[in-house]
Amino acid sequence: GQQLNQSPQSMFIQEGEDVSMNCTSSSIFNTWLWYKQEPGEGPVLLIALYKAGELTSNGRLTAQFGITRKDSFLNISASIPSDVGIYFCAGQLWNQFYFGTGTSLTVIP
Amino acid sequence: GAVVSQHPSRVICKSGTSVKIECRSLDFQATTMFWYRQFPKQSLMLMATSNEGSKATYEQGVEKDKFLINHASLTLSTLTVTSAHPEDSSFYICSAAGSGLQETQYFGPGTRLLVL
Repeated sequence: GQQLNQSPQSMFIQEGEDVSMNCTSSSIFNTWLWYKQEPGEGPVLLIALYKAGELTSNGRLTAQFGITRKDSFLNISASIPSDVGIYFCAGQLWNQFYFGTGTSLTVIP
Repeated sequence: GAVVSQHPSRVICKSGTSVKIECRSLDFQATTMFWYRQFPKQSLMLMATSNEGSKATYEQGVEKDKFLINHASLTLSTLTVTSAHPEDSSFYICSAAGSGLQETQYFGPGTRLLVL
């Protein structure tokens, strides 16, 4: 299926730094989703966004549904070692889901 | 809420045997279930989408006779890898979604398949 443009592909940051990643698409979506996947596990839903312009937080995570409905970003503030993993965005249109290529995050203590 | 289980979590089998993987939505009714395959350090590759009571829709390049999908109830879907070969070794992940615009996709923990 279609894949979204997600960037950056990987990040190496110091503990305590803030992180920002984003996803763009040529198509509009009804919903934007952000997942985190740790090695050997399935992705876990972090944040779901349902309206254009919506800004939602989940602890140190903040995500926004772009006003054009074609993009979304995820910010992680004050990163900690357990933030390590691969972060995927997904756009949903009705019952069709399209995933980003993932952002691999490494946090250096 | 929105828990999806997958069984087994890992399986090792001999080449030529068939392997069945179960995916269950534990606390919601999943009108749609998805099966993905993931290679190391890569994104999720959608294999097929199944709706309860109807035939699965396979993505281009996925052999439906090789990867049999059954979605017999609103809480259970199975993926059977028939006559497995070493190249079928991979991480298989299912996900489930309920109905309606607000229902999103929740993933199972994945099944690691190793074919010897």
